Amino acid sequence: DGGITQSPKYLFRKEGQNVTLSCEQNLNHDAMYWYRQDPGQGLRLIYYSQIVNDFQKGDIAEGYSVSREKKESFPLTVTSAQKNPTAFYLCACSIGGLAGGENTGELFFGEGSRLTVL
Amino acid sequence: GDSVTQMEGPVTLSEEAFLTINCTYTATGYPSLFWYVQYPGEGLQLLLKATKADDKGSNKGFEATYRKETTSFHLEKGSVQVSDSAVYFCAPAPAYSGAGSYQLTFGKGTKLSVIP
Repeated sequence: DGGITQSPKYLFRKEGQNVTLSCEQNLNHDAMYWYRQDPGQGLRLIYYSQIVNDFQKGDIAEGYSVSREKKESFPLTVTSAQKNPTAFYLCACSIGGLAGGENTGELFFGEGSRLTVL
Repeated sequence: GDSVTQMEGPVTLSEEAFLTINCTYTATGYPSLFWYVQYPGEGLQLLLKATKADDKGSNKGFEATYRKETTSFHLEKGSVQVSDSAVYFCAPAPAYSGAGSYQLTFGKGTKLSVIP
């Protein structure tokens, strides 16, 4: 079955350490996204990528980095520069690039990764 | 830019009660509109959608009508169940915001708890 997989589901990090969250999809979707979810704040966009080797900052990109070397993979690194990294992180993908006629606007989400900084 | 205003929760209902979660949007044009649901500890999944004005999306007993005149997309269900307890998000389709960038907006989410 096609889908989008995030790992690990739970992750603990000491202050000052970088950590990378994995996101893999086998839906053959062009666009991929990373969101952060905090209680009472809904979803906030960190980064998105419409095509391989290209990505753009979202609303809260500071302290995060991404890469898009393969169509199916969009890992997120939470760096030590992120001041308050404890959160639930959600990866999503969508058909086609955002400007493309194929894109319906529907996002397909992974199960999320919960990061806790000790 | 586009924005979504969603009814704040939490909402607590008894089983079989009627549910309404309000969602209004501000957008350039009339984008497709979506409701997503997030069950505890999980990611979001699409609940229903409407692609044009006066469209009604429906799924699992939930309905929402895209009302252009009131720029609203309220979520309703006639009789909720305990299994409907979740967080519900309203969202428009991504909107071009200029300089090659896109705005991807979600409502803040409304937590629904249904008690037996």
